[in-house]
Amino acid sequence: GAVVSQHPSWVICKSGTSVKIECRSLDFQATTMFWYRQFPKQSLMLMATSNEGSKATYEQGVEKDKFLINHASLTLSTLTVTSAHPEDSSFYICSASRAQSSYEQYFGPGTRLTVT
Amino acid sequence: LAKTTQPISMDSYEGQEVNITCSHNNIATNDYITWYQQFPSQGPRFIIQGYKTKVTNEVASLFIPADRKSSTLSLPRVSLSDTAVYYCLVGAGFYNTDKLIFGTGTRLQVFP
Repeated sequence: GAVVSQHPSWVICKSGTSVKIECRSLDFQATTMFWYRQFPKQSLMLMATSNEGSKATYEQGVEKDKFLINHASLTLSTLTVTSAHPEDSSFYICSASRAQSSYEQYFGPGTRLTVT
Repeated sequence: LAKTTQPISMDSYEGQEVNITCSHNNIATNDYITWYQQFPSQGPRFIIQGYKTKVTNEVASLFIPADRKSSTLSLPRVSLSDTAVYYCLVGAGFYNTDKLIFGTGTRLQVFP
């Protein structure tokens, strides 16, 4: 149990377009979901925290108008990269916390975004 | 959130025990210590969490001295499939809604 999926697993888009990445908790309800970005050979960088039904909380330096996060249900959060540029190319990973459960966060498999 | 310091990389051979130490001098009273494993192009996977002394599960052991300023992840008899990056996190807290701040991690390479 406690599986988190992401879709798509990889995406290539042209500069200036927008891309939406989905994060789903498949077999549990996630009260909180987190979005991370990871550049090659680097650590994960937390971008934002999203709670179902409320606005996301962004980390310092992350543009909320560029990285739109929607947590519309207890099993789905989406990250939309608006007006993507090549420097947005990265590995985006989400994680989810299961309500009324332990301290463990469950991570998705990640989405590789390449902006050309 | 307490900062962590880990070795950048470690090498080992199959069948050996690997110990990865993490320093967290500014750990707070309420902080827990959590370790995650990450394979290339995958999301991290929870390994173990502890508060003090020793914690053991089917995958690893976590040793925490009395002052809690450091911790050691012990992987018994590693195999090639244990080649990954290991992250030590402090301050994640007991609640799974707390945000996780990842440090640089330790890149473990296991050789045959």
